[in-house]
Amino acid sequence: EVQLVESGGGLVQPGRSLRLSCAASGFSFDDYAMHWVRQAPGKRLEWVSSISWNSGSVGYVDSVKGRFTISRDNAKNSLYLEMNNLRAEDTALYYCAGAYGSGSDNWFDPWGQGTLVIVSS
Amino acid sequence: QSVLTQPPSVSGAPGQRVTISCTGSSSNIGAGYDVHWFQQLPGTAPKVLIYGNSNRPSGVPDRFSGSKSGTSASLAITGLQAEDEADYYCQSYDSSLSGYVFGTGTEVTVL
Repeated sequence: EVQLVESGGGLVQPGRSLRLSCAASGFSFDDYAMHWVRQAPGKRLEWVSSISWNSGSVGYVDSVKGRFTISRDNAKNSLYLEMNNLRAEDTALYYCAGAYGSGSDNWFDPWGQGTLVIVSS
Repeated sequence: QSVLTQPPSVSGAPGQRVTISCTGSSSNIGAGYDVHWFQQLPGTAPKVLIYGNSNRPSGVPDRFSGSKSGTSASLAITGLQAEDEADYYCQSYDSSLSGYVFGTGTEVTVL
């Protein structure tokens, strides 16, 4: 069974850091690019970051550039998101998702169940 | 932040046909990038409904169909069922942002 399981979310104070993890199973993780997508409470989906299969290419939404770092460990079938200098507006459910399809036309599949990050003092 | 614009809500009676529009620009849909559609049932993660503008993954009923023209795309649901009540999002790639963009989301209500 194809599965993505996120972990590492929690309550954190503004300005602090948090590291999210995503464990993949049931598919050839090292064949696929991966994404992080977030959804603030009651809001729309927002793409956060992507990483190519070999970590050679990464991308970020402007609002997290310089603060978030995406990485992966293919030997551990794991994806990570290091989040620094967190702000209240980073509060959201963070999903990891696979990148199915080719190049920029890939789509987000499969999805994990999400891990909740709350930034508050 | 460039986004794809969707109507906030659409509704229809069981059995009816509803459509959801997704309006982009020359840097995303109009640039030729594919549009994908996701269904998000209450309290669950999104699920791909349509990929590559008009393709259905296995297991998705043929009541769902997608199309794209110019700078816009549409999702149609025919034979609306109660289980179709959910939020729907379009998604594409934006060359000016060098990143992926989602639509503003549409809540579908079955009357």
